[in-house]
Amino acid sequence: AQSVTQLDSHVSVSEGTPVLLRCNYSSSYSPSLFWYVQHPNKGLQLLLKYTSAATLVKGINGFEAEFKKSETSFHLTKPSAHMSDAAEYFCVVTGYNQGGKLIFGQGTELSVKP
Amino acid sequence: EPEVTQTPSHQVTQMGQEVILRCVPISNHLYFYWYRQILGQKVEFLVSFYNNEISEKSEIFDDQFSVERPDGSNFTLKIRSTKLEDSAMYFCASRLYEGIGSTEAFFGQGTRLTVV
Repeated sequence: AQSVTQLDSHVSVSEGTPVLLRCNYSSSYSPSLFWYVQHPNKGLQLLLKYTSAATLVKGINGFEAEFKKSETSFHLTKPSAHMSDAAEYFCVVTGYNQGGKLIFGQGTELSVKP
Repeated sequence: EPEVTQTPSHQVTQMGQEVILRCVPISNHLYFYWYRQILGQKVEFLVSFYNNEISEKSEIFDDQFSVERPDGSNFTLKIRSTKLEDSAMYFCASRLYEGIGSTEAFFGQGTRLTVV
């Protein structure tokens, strides 16, 4: 079965410093992986996606993630945090052999201090 | 840019009442989903729908729940007799394609259901 583990429930960084949100997945088949962001009282917005092409994926707002099959990881990074990045971030996996539904991680709340 | 729209944005209902949450998926998408997020908890899968039938459902999606695509554009979630524990944000999503190299899902803004 597929699953996603986000290793940190809460991450706090200072504005201008790097962001690292960690995600590990479990999938018995080639997965598709996504990062979604949810700002307070808003819906879920796609940040970036990996669907078996380039392993380093660039998304919106300067975020990127690297798919590492050997480590079963898909960590989200950004070189320099901005106050507007404060939000909840979800790592999501889906895969053909387990049906098409998206499986969500527990979420990581990112706080950005001035 | 096409988007998934959900109505209403917020619904308050009394315990035991029926509610219908409405969604308009992106027009050329083929796969439709409902998820829910209880306050402070993770986003949980409820049901997926393809070719006018349920393709998968979770344990949460019991006989109190049903989905329908009545007119080829709307996608609805009905809760027949609401319980306090049904209070949550409900998200509708649609997707063009599942399978190898599957596309991303587009989510609506959500309907916040409060059962009192």
